[in-house]
Amino acid sequence: EAGVAQSPRYKIIEKRQSVAFWCNPISGHATLYWYQQILGQGPKLLIQFQNNGVVDDSQLPKDRFSAERLKGVDSTLKIQPAKLEDSAVYLCASSPTGTGGFNTQYFGPGTRLTVL
Amino acid sequence: AQKVTQAQTEISVVEKEDVTLDCVYETRDTTYYLFWYKQPPSGELVFLIRRNSFDEQNEISGRYSWNFQKSTSSFNFTITASQVVDSAVYFCALSEARSSYKLIFGSGTRLLVRP
Repeated sequence: EAGVAQSPRYKIIEKRQSVAFWCNPISGHATLYWYQQILGQGPKLLIQFQNNGVVDDSQLPKDRFSAERLKGVDSTLKIQPAKLEDSAVYLCASSPTGTGGFNTQYFGPGTRLTVL
Repeated sequence: AQKVTQAQTEISVVEKEDVTLDCVYETRDTTYYLFWYKQPPSGELVFLIRRNSFDEQNEISGRYSWNFQKSTSSFNFTITASQVVDSAVYFCALSEARSSYKLIFGSGTRLLVRP
């Protein structure tokens, strides 16, 4: 079974530029998550989708970050405009049906963003 | 508020030593889940184990074992006879019903196993 796919793996941009990350979850997984992991810290949830609806985006900086999950499969996370403090690894995860805690989240390899 | 504390920032051991990674959590929920993930240098988080709040049975999987104690709000992870391939950052995480089961991670413990 294929795991969670993410692209690109690395991205370097100047501040105030925009950037987009793509995630393809494990086939059949209804729930998709985007996490931000700053160097030396644990991942922090940005947004959680159940199919193509948003379950939790309370920690998403909505003035600059946006995310969508069209057709309930792939998802895109965008930052516009980027700030220096956005430098981090952006992790995508997916889990099977529902949002119950019994659903283990499986992570992709992440996208390492550097903002100069 | 929910919180996960991993007080050990970095641990260094020699191969074949046993090592225990500590995890202390805070929650007001009666239904919650605890997880351990491994993050090798490649960066991908690898799921190791999930426990629910109603099951305090300890678990062993090969060289890995987990000790869940609700009385002390701890979920510790022991690697027996450590190997160089165990070198990674290990994260403990909590999910609870009142937070839509999102994962709350600790800050991680970096384990270095020297040959």
